[in-house]
Amino acid sequence: DGGITQSPKYLFRKEGQNVTLSCEQNLNHDAMYWYRQDPGQGLRLIYYSQIVNDFQKGDIAEGYSVSREKKESFPLTVTSAQKNPTAFYLCASMTVWTGITEAFFGQGTRLTVV
Amino acid sequence: RKEVEQDPGPFNVPEGATVAFNCTYSNSASQSFFWYRQDCRKEPKLLMSVYSSGNEDGRFTAQLNRASQYISLLIRDSKLSDSATYLCVGQGAAGNKLTFGGGTRVLVKP
Repeated sequence: DGGITQSPKYLFRKEGQNVTLSCEQNLNHDAMYWYRQDPGQGLRLIYYSQIVNDFQKGDIAEGYSVSREKKESFPLTVTSAQKNPTAFYLCASMTVWTGITEAFFGQGTRLTVV
Repeated sequence: RKEVEQDPGPFNVPEGATVAFNCTYSNSASQSFFWYRQDCRKEPKLLMSVYSSGNEDGRFTAQLNRASQYISLLIRDSKLSDSATYLCVGQGAAGNKLTFGGGTRVLVKP
């Protein structure tokens, strides 16, 4: 089955530690996105990538880093510079063309700082 | 001002009633819009795409008003299972960026 997979589902991070969240898709989508969601809030864009080896900062990129070495994969690293990383992280992918398209989401990763 | 804004609610709706709520957007260059549904602690899932002036899918009707820059969602004959948060999403002119509103919470009660 085609889809987008995030792992792990739950992640605990110690203060000062970097952690990497995985996002893999087999939908052959060009664009991939990382969003952060805080309780009772909407989704805020962290980073996005439209093509391999290229990515752009979203609205809240500070304290995060990404890579896009393969079309299928878009991992997100939450660095120690991110002062309040506890949140629900969602990865999405979609095709990129000039028409209208749908974004598909992974099931999310809940990150908690302990 | 946020690019996409929604009334957070909650909208408390009797089962079987009709509920409608809006989403306003500030970027007039936005090409298209979507309504996503998000259940508690789950990922968002596409409910409807909003093309041109709007569209209908069963009990759900979405309207787009470009002159006033808002999108509406109407739910008829509300079911208990319609209880969720509804996220309004704007897609940029280049088709490469999706901007989410904060969501509108709907609670359908017996």
